[in-house]
Amino acid sequence: QLQLQESGPGLVKPSETLSLTCTVSGGSISSSSYYWGWIRQPPGKGLEWIGSIYYSGSTYYNPSLKSRVTISVDTSKNQFSLKLSSVTAADTAVYYCARHGTEPDPWGQGTLVTVSS
Amino acid sequence: QSALTQPRSVSGSPGQSVTISCTGTSSDVGGYNYVSWYQQHPGKAPKLMIYDVSKRPSGVPDRFSGSKSGNTASLTISGLQAEDEADYYCCSYAGSYTDVVFGGGTKLTVL
Repeated sequence: QLQLQESGPGLVKPSETLSLTCTVSGGSISSSSYYWGWIRQPPGKGLEWIGSIYYSGSTYYNPSLKSRVTISVDTSKNQFSLKLSSVTAADTAVYYCARHGTEPDPWGQGTLVTVSS
Repeated sequence: QSALTQPRSVSGSPGQSVTISCTGTSSDVGGYNYVSWYQQHPGKAPKLMIYDVSKRPSGVPDRFSGSKSGNTASLTISGLQAEDEADYYCCSYAGSYTDVVFGGGTKLTVL
């Protein structure tokens, strides 16, 4: 079955850029029926959609994060990636990748990224 | 894109039923039959429990059911079990596949 796995540094310094990759297995990221998205969850808080990408490269971002977010896709590696610039402590969160049509599913297991000097 | 409104917490005894509400607007919950519900245990990724308002993915017990009336969706868990204790989040389509809005989450305590 389709599985997603996040990877990337667990610690990022303030003002730097957070970079994560989601590797998709058990299916093709080039499926025409779905988008591929990033969702985050600060410790003890709720879920926040960050943005999504279509296999063609079309991107869509949460307006509150749009100025700092870049999502890209590499269909040859069946991966998509997240970059979040100028991070602060408020960006500390578990970051999830997920496939979504009208609902996000399945999700990756999540990766904790801490912003600290 | 405002978060959907859920109660912070609900509780029930084993065997009882509980209902968690999720209130949005006519631009999300009320406008489409694409409300989903997720169960999240501590340290785990959210698990899809209900999609398209009332459909259950394979493997989800029929103790879990969903409904919607106007701008409010509901998740009902009947025959509460200890393992149902978790956080529950609603999610709604809001006009495009890229417009995803979540509720703030509800902590379910099984007494």
